[in-house]
Amino acid sequence: AQKVTQAQTEISVVEKEDVTLDCVYETRDTTYYLFWYKQPPSGELVFLIRRNSFDEQNEISGRYSWNFQKSTSSFNFTITASQVVDSAVYFCALVYSSASKIIFGSGTRLSIRP
Amino acid sequence: DTGVSQNPRHKITKRGQNVTFRCDPISEHNRLYWYRQTLGQGPEFLTYFQNEAQLEKSRLLSDRFSAERPKGSFSTLEIQRTEQGDSAMYLCASSLVRGAIQETQYFGPGTRLLVL
Repeated sequence: AQKVTQAQTEISVVEKEDVTLDCVYETRDTTYYLFWYKQPPSGELVFLIRRNSFDEQNEISGRYSWNFQKSTSSFNFTITASQVVDSAVYFCALVYSSASKIIFGSGTRLSIRP
Repeated sequence: DTGVSQNPRHKITKRGQNVTFRCDPISEHNRLYWYRQTLGQGPEFLTYFQNEAQLEKSRLLSDRFSAERPKGSFSTLEIQRTEQGDSAMYLCASSLVRGAIQETQYFGPGTRLLVL
């Protein structure tokens, strides 16, 4: 089965706190791609990051960082020093090599309180 | 560099009416995708095109749904005899695929449909 699980439905933190969004995936393919997208209240899905299954290097982009661990089938996303503008729904997603469609998790709604 | 655009942004219709949505992908992208998103859920795949060929359709795409991409550029998604269960956000995405490499899909702002 090909599946993405985001167990955290909602998270609320105070501004400047660090927050980690969890993502666990299932796939039988050895070649696959993982993504994170942000969906602000306006509704548009904004691409954040793409990793392929052969690249387990963690990535940092400003306040954002991603931890990819094949051993636990996880691709977690951390926001450091959160800001109110980070409030949105975040989706983890999977594309396996023999298909083209994205399989999305159910999303985590992140609220950053001032 | 313009992104993916969708029209209309909002549509309210009565049950039984037909509706049509349009998607204009990023100009050099050869693949175009349609997804549907209901409240509180992640987007679900409906169908996709490579150039003008429709290569895959989800079981979610009932007989009342039809999608076209006649010249390999813009695409339309039509829903006939709408039902209240069709109320959702319809998202379009595009990507540039070269060989076997899966490129990133970039999404448009979506069309929010409400069927009364």
